[in-house]
Amino acid sequence: DTGVSQNPRHKITKRGQNVTFRCDPISEHNRLYWYRQTLGQGPEFLTYFQNEAQLEKSRLLSDRFSAERPKGSFSTLEIQRTEQGDSAMYLCAIHRTWGVENIQYFGAGTRLSVL
Amino acid sequence: GESVGLHLPTLSVQEGDNSIINCAYSNSASDYFIWYKQESGKGPQFIIDIRSNMDKRQGQRVTVLLNKTVKHLSLQIAATQPGDSAVYFCAENIKGEGYVSYDKVIFGPGTSLSVIP
Repeated sequence: DTGVSQNPRHKITKRGQNVTFRCDPISEHNRLYWYRQTLGQGPEFLTYFQNEAQLEKSRLLSDRFSAERPKGSFSTLEIQRTEQGDSAMYLCAIHRTWGVENIQYFGAGTRLSVL
Repeated sequence: GESVGLHLPTLSVQEGDNSIINCAYSNSASDYFIWYKQESGKGPQFIIDIRSNMDKRQGQRVTVLLNKTVKHLSLQIAATQPGDSAVYFCAENIKGEGYVSYDKVIFGPGTSLSVIP
C-alpha cells in the first residue's frame, strides 16, 4: 500500500467527452504530482502541487487539461474534449522526505481509453 | 518529452541467476537517482536510490552502481525470482522550475525483466 488511492481505475470514454480523475493521499502530504504514462514508456511529468498551489505545469498539459487540489488534500485532473491521443495511464504521486531520501509514492493509476 | 523510445528493452534471466539492468542519464547536474519497479496494473514502486556522492549502494538483494564519469547507472538483482518480473525504470531527481524549490522526478526508458522459472 503506497498510501495513494486513485479513482476510477479504468475509464472508457468517447472522443469529445470530458473526464475527471481523482487522487486521494491517505495522509496529509504537501507535495503531489500527476504523471502520464503511455505504453512502453516511463511516466512523464504533468504537474506539481505544493499544498493547494499548482507550481508547475508541463508543456504536455494543454488547455484541455486542468488540475486542482482544493484545501491541499485530494486532487483532481480533468480532461475536456478528450482525444484519442489522451489514451494513457494517469498516475498520481506523493512525495515523502525521510532524512536524505526523497521518495515519490505512486498510486495504481487511472487507465483512460478514448474511443 | 524526457522519455524516449517506443520499444521496451527486454531482459530474460533464469530464476536464481543475477540480473543487471543498465541506464544512461543525460543531466550532469543530477545529484540523486532512483530505481523504480512497475508491475502490470500498478504504479511504479521505489526500490533503491543513490546520491551522486556515492558509487554504490546495497539493499536487500539489490545493488545500484553509479558511474558519474560516463553518466551510467545499473541495478543488480541477486538470485532473481519470478516475483522480480516487471518493468524497471531509472529516474533522475532534479529541481523543478519556479520560485519555490521542489523535487521533480524524470524517468528514463524502462527495461522489461522476465524471469524464466
